[in-house]
Amino acid sequence: DADVTQTPRNRITKTGKRIMLECSQTKGHDRMYWYRQDPGLGLRLIYYSFDVKDINKGEISDGYSVSRQAQAKFSLSLESAIPNQTALYFCATSDPQGGGNQPQHFGDGTRLSIL
Amino acid sequence: EDQVTQSPEALRLQEGESSSLNCSYTVSGLRGLFWYRQDPGKGPEFLFTLYSAGEEKEKERLKATLTKKESFLHITAPKPEDSATYLCAVSTDSWGKFQFGAGTQVVVTP
Repeated sequence: DADVTQTPRNRITKTGKRIMLECSQTKGHDRMYWYRQDPGLGLRLIYYSFDVKDINKGEISDGYSVSRQAQAKFSLSLESAIPNQTALYFCATSDPQGGGNQPQHFGDGTRLSIL
Repeated sequence: EDQVTQSPEALRLQEGESSSLNCSYTVSGLRGLFWYRQDPGKGPEFLFTLYSAGEEKEKERLKATLTKKESFLHITAPKPEDSATYLCAVSTDSWGKFQFGAGTQVVVTP
C-alpha cells in the first residue's frame, strides 16, 4: 500500500463547484504539504501544516483552504472552482527531525480539470 | 528572492550516451538540495539529498554533485528506463518548505 494516498486520482468538474481533495498518510510524519503542478512552472506550495493545530499559507493559497483532521489526514478544498485551477495536485509529508533538511514524500497526485 | 533554475528543459539521449542535468540556485542559507524523479502519472520519487558543497551521492547510473551555486545530476550510460522528468528542490528554512525548479524531461531512446 502507498505511504501517501490521494483521492480522487482524477476529477472533472464545473466552474463554481466546491471540491475537496483528500490526502492520508501512513508514514507517521507530522508535516504535510499541498502543491500544485503546472507545465513549465514546477511544483508550487499552496498550504502546509506541521501538526493538527498548525496551518500555514504557501505562495499560492488564494482560492484554496485546508483542513488537518488528524495527524494522518490533510484535505484541500476549492471553495468555488475556476478554470485556472486546472492542474495536478500533490500532497507530501516529511519528518520534522533535523529541521528543514529532510526529504518530502509524495502521493501520486490528483488530476483536476475545471470546465 | 530565492530562485531555482533547471537546464535544459528537455534532453533526448541515445541509450548509453552519458549527460548531465543542471540545477542552479540563488538562495540564502541552503539547508538541503533534493533531487527527485517523476514518471508520468506519478508523484515525485525522492532520489538524493545534498547538504554542503563538495558532497556527492550515487545510485545506480545517477550521480549528484553540489557546489555553492549549482548541482549536477550526471546520468552515466543511460537506459530507456531512465526516461523521466528530474526535479530539483532546495530547502532554506527549518520548516522544511521546498522551492522547486521546473524540471528537466529526459527521454532515452534504444
